[in-house]
Amino acid sequence: GDSVTQMEGPVTLSEEAFLTINCTYTATGYPSLFWYVQYPGEGLQLLLKATKADDKGSNKGFEATYRKETTSFHLEKGSVQVSDSAVYFCALFRPSGYSTLTFGKGTMLLVSP
Amino acid sequence: GAGVSQSPSNKVTEKGKDVELRCDPISGHTALYWYRQSLGQGLEFLIYFQGNSAPDKSGLPSDRFSAERTGGSVSTLTIQRTQQEDSAVYLCASSYVGGSSYNEQFFGPGTRLTVL
Repeated sequence: GDSVTQMEGPVTLSEEAFLTINCTYTATGYPSLFWYVQYPGEGLQLLLKATKADDKGSNKGFEATYRKETTSFHLEKGSVQVSDSAVYFCALFRPSGYSTLTFGKGTMLLVSP
Repeated sequence: GAGVSQSPSNKVTEKGKDVELRCDPISGHTALYWYRQSLGQGLEFLIYFQGNSAPDKSGLPSDRFSAERTGGSVSTLTIQRTQQEDSAVYLCASSYVGGSSYNEQFFGPGTRLTVL
């Protein structure tokens, strides 16, 4: 079945550091890939997405490129802020007829001033 | 407009009791989803509604779990004879349509269930 694997956290960085959160997936066909973010005390929000190979999703300074050859969708940001502290979830959607998302376990990011 | 709302925000119950969790989706969204977020387990899909019907119940962990949706709007997730392993945050999401094309799912804030 479909699965998403992302690096375990917490990831602890200082403000302005470079961020990478790794995500790899297993799925048949051509899934769409997503990063969701969950800020403390809030619900999940879509951060960015990519729907086909080599697409790059970007939002709020975050980027991720859909790499079919390595089945990866790593999240990056050049300079993190304290306000980026949250839990980040990688997810995939495979159009099998049902609209369910398959999520990774989440990676907590803690950014200190 | 209003987002997805869930109630209660927190629920503490005793083992063996039944609980009902409610989700109000965004108005006009025909697809509704329930997920469970457990510590260290990430998000698990539970059930998906298209209108009032549930074409995918594959994620429900046991026959103690059931869900219904009425009027194509509000959904209720019921857990009977709760067990301590049911303790988790239960998330609801809705999207404009479901099916084989992706439509962005908007999530509610969740209900934190604690079974003592």
